[in-house]
Amino acid sequence: SYELTQPPSLSVSPGQTASITCSGDKLGNKYASWYQQKPGQSPLLVIYQDTKRPSGIPERFSGSNSGNTAILTIRGTQALDDADYYCQAWDSSTAVFGTGTKVTVL
Amino acid sequence: QVQLVQSGAEVKKPGASVKVSCKASGYTFNDYDINWVRQATGQGLEWMGWMNPNSGNTDFAQKFQGRVTLTTNTSIGTAYMELSSLRSEDTAVYYCARAVIVGGTTIDYWGQGTRVTVSS
Repeated sequence: SYELTQPPSLSVSPGQTASITCSGDKLGNKYASWYQQKPGQSPLLVIYQDTKRPSGIPERFSGSNSGNTAILTIRGTQALDDADYYCQAWDSSTAVFGTGTKVTVL
Repeated sequence: QVQLVQSGAEVKKPGASVKVSCKASGYTFNDYDINWVRQATGQGLEWMGWMNPNSGNTDFAQKFQGRVTLTTNTSIGTAYMELSSLRSEDTAVYYCARAVIVGGTTIDYWGQGTRVTVSS
């Protein structure tokens, strides 16, 4: 079955850039989405179709996808970006979520 | 605005079944797939399956084939997920989520989650 692998954790200082990777076989041939999840809350879509931001998502969130790796970049990271982040892609008609990355802003 | 409102928490015994509902509002229910995703405490997101309310088509993660039933009642804009033969490992928060198909498929809006506890 298809798998998406993310680093378990990432620490970033406020104002700096956080880059979260998501690796999967030929992932660049699929669309990647990214979700932010804070404790006790439902996931929130922050990037879809590799690079697009839903309405209301700040411009500091951006995405890319090429080869075997999709990347979520958060520029000018703020304390409220402290959360878990999951990538997601479709393998045929089944959805696959990444293993998740805990981003700590400190 | 788009809302997905799920039914309340459930406590079930091993071997029983649970049925979770997901009422949609703010959009045309038949035009979007409903996905189901679960999350055990402290764990990641696990996709279970989807259903198209218009066609009735479904697909499931292999792990849940034969144990999950997805249905919809289009007259009231509600989707249901029934999981049978429950075991302790099924203890999790279960989410419904809408998927839009424009270019690619994107899961965009999520319900608030329903906690299911399986315990003897």
